[in-house]
Order: sequence, then structure tokens, then C-alpha cells
Amino acid sequence: DAKTTQPPSMDCAEGRAANLPCNHSTISGNEYVYWYRQIHSQGPQYIIHGLKNNETNEMASLIITEDRKSSTLILPHATLRDTAVYYCIVRVLNRDDKIIFGKGTRLHILP
Amino acid sequence: ETGVTQTPRHLVMGMTNKKSLKCEQHLGHNAMYWYKQSAKKPLELMFVYNFKEQTENNSVPSRFSPECPNSSHLFLHLHTLQPEDSALYLCASSRAGGLEEKLFFGSGTQLSVL
Repeated sequence: DAKTTQPPSMDCAEGRAANLPCNHSTISGNEYVYWYRQIHSQGPQYIIHGLKNNETNEMASLIITEDRKSSTLILPHATLRDTAVYYCIVRVLNRDDKIIFGKGTRLHILP
Repeated sequence: ETGVTQTPRHLVMGMTNKKSLKCEQHLGHNAMYWYKQSAKKPLELMFVYNFKEQTENNSVPSRFSPECPNSSHLFLHLHTLQPEDSALYLCASSRAGGLEEKLFFGSGTQLSVL
């Protein structure tokens, strides 16, 4: 079973920031938070990951709460091409740890 | 282009057919994965290969048979499938064990079993 909880769907206006929440209240100290997204009819695409510090790259920012029980993925200026299912995953980085995808959040960017 | 190529993109097969799905990665990765995605369901992990060794078989029926001849190629051999096996089959690869481990996915094979 996935160790994360996400809202099933969200809407965001084009050009605005999209903030996608994820709860992972049972996260262990050595588990990382990963985000992927899946655009319709394609394979999932890696977005960002972090352990406890906030992270930013060219695609998004990841904000992790101090107690690490939840996180938020931020797409700063959403475009129509950001319409996708977004998956939040927690996992340990070792060769035996499974990467389990939950149902994710279906993000609709509205024109 | 993710560096992971899957063929064919679409496949229609009867329940008595034998077919194979192919996955190739050009990223120098040493771990490869098969996932199944049925309509309206989350991705399900099927098989994992690390350094060509199968390390995970997630209770997959024997009508699905994986093969990993080297760390760049992964196959999924299919025989006597059922209509409920119709799904999107996704291959992924990663550099196992590193701190920057990320999955890179192919575009998938959309399989229909008649």
C-alpha cells in the first residue's frame, strides 16, 4: 500500500501557482519524499525529491514540514501542459525498497 | 525522450497468442522494472531486476514471464493472457543504490487482450 495520502483532484488557473499537498504521517527518518507526474498516455516523469530541506529545481519546488509528516509540491506558474496526475511517494534509497505509486492527484489547469 | 524505449506502442492479441514486449534503456542504468497500469487504477509493480538479477516478483501470474539478458534490455513474454490483463505496461530504469535514484519511464505498451 502507498504510504501517502493525496487529494484525488485539484483545479488551478493557468499562470497561477499550483500547490499540491501530500500527507505522509508515518514517514521514517531515512525515507525520502519523491514527486512524479504522469501526463495522459505517457509514462510517469520524475519531478523532484527531498529528505528534510526544501528543494527547488527548474520544474518545481518541494516544501517539507519540519516534522516531515506532510509536503507540498509547488508549480510556480502553471501552464496547460502541467495538466497531469501527480504522485507523491516516500521511500528509502536502497536497492531492495519498492517504489509504490498511489492514486495521485489529478491536476486540471484551467485556461 | 527519456532514454527508455518500449516496443511496440500498441498490441492487440488473442488469448491463445504468445507475444513479447521489449524495453531498452540507453542511460547506463543497472536496475529495470515492469509496471502494469489498468484503467482507473494505480501503477502496480510487477518485476524488478538489479544488475540482471530478478529481485522482485510481486505475485505476478506465470503467464507473464520477464527476461533481462543484460542491464540495457528487458523483455516481458506473454502467453495465454486473459482479457483482464489488458492494460498499459510500463518499463522503467534507474541507477540503483545511488542518492539521486530516480525512475525513468518509457511511454508504455498499450495491450488489449481479446
